Amino acid sequence: DAGITQSPRYKITETGRQVTLMCHQTWSHSYMFWYRQDLGHGLRLIYYSAAADITDKGEVPDGYVVSRSKTENFPLTLESATRSQTSVYFCASSDRFTYQETQYFGPGTRLLVL
Amino acid sequence: AQTVTQSQPEMSVQEAETVTLSCTYDTSESDYYLFWYKQPPSRQMILVIRQEAYKQQNATENRFSVNFQKAAKSFSLKISDSQLGDAAMYFCAYRIDTGTASKLTFGTGTRLQVTL
Repeated sequence: DAGITQSPRYKITETGRQVTLMCHQTWSHSYMFWYRQDLGHGLRLIYYSAAADITDKGEVPDGYVVSRSKTENFPLTLESATRSQTSVYFCASSDRFTYQETQYFGPGTRLLVL
Repeated sequence: AQTVTQSQPEMSVQEAETVTLSCTYDTSESDYYLFWYKQPPSRQMILVIRQEAYKQQNATENRFSVNFQKAAKSFSLKISDSQLGDAAMYFCAYRIDTGTASKLTFGTGTRLQVTL
């Protein structure tokens, strides 16, 4: 099925470990986004990408790394996981760069850092 | 910085009744878009309705409608004939064009309960 998928859906890791969250979309959307959702904060933008090999920081980028070698994939890496990175992570995509464009979200990844 | 405020952490409505969820935002921009997203227990973020700031007419999608007051920077969501499936977290979001990408700013959400 076409759409946007995330893997894994659930992940438990330990402090200091590297973790990569995957995001894949089949629409060939140019723009992709990573958000984290925490109680009392709504969703906050971590990183976004305008196209392959073009990425930029969002509101809360510290401790995260992204890459985008292919249009359809946008992995998010926690280089050395911390407990404060326990959260639900959402990937989203949109077709064009204009602000009129709706963002479509993946199902989310629940990450627990012990 | 742009902010979005949802002052109602929780709301409750009886099935078949109408409920209104509040949202206010702060911006100095004149062109922007406003969205309401629904997040059911499955955690999927689902677009409910969107409103272009340059349009005076309020957006409507079936049982969902908005009351957009640009001068007051208010964007409330009205759900008519509430159904059990409407129970979810609802997020108001605001979006502007930053030149390189359009970013969504979210409120903290309102949890809607639907009772029989």
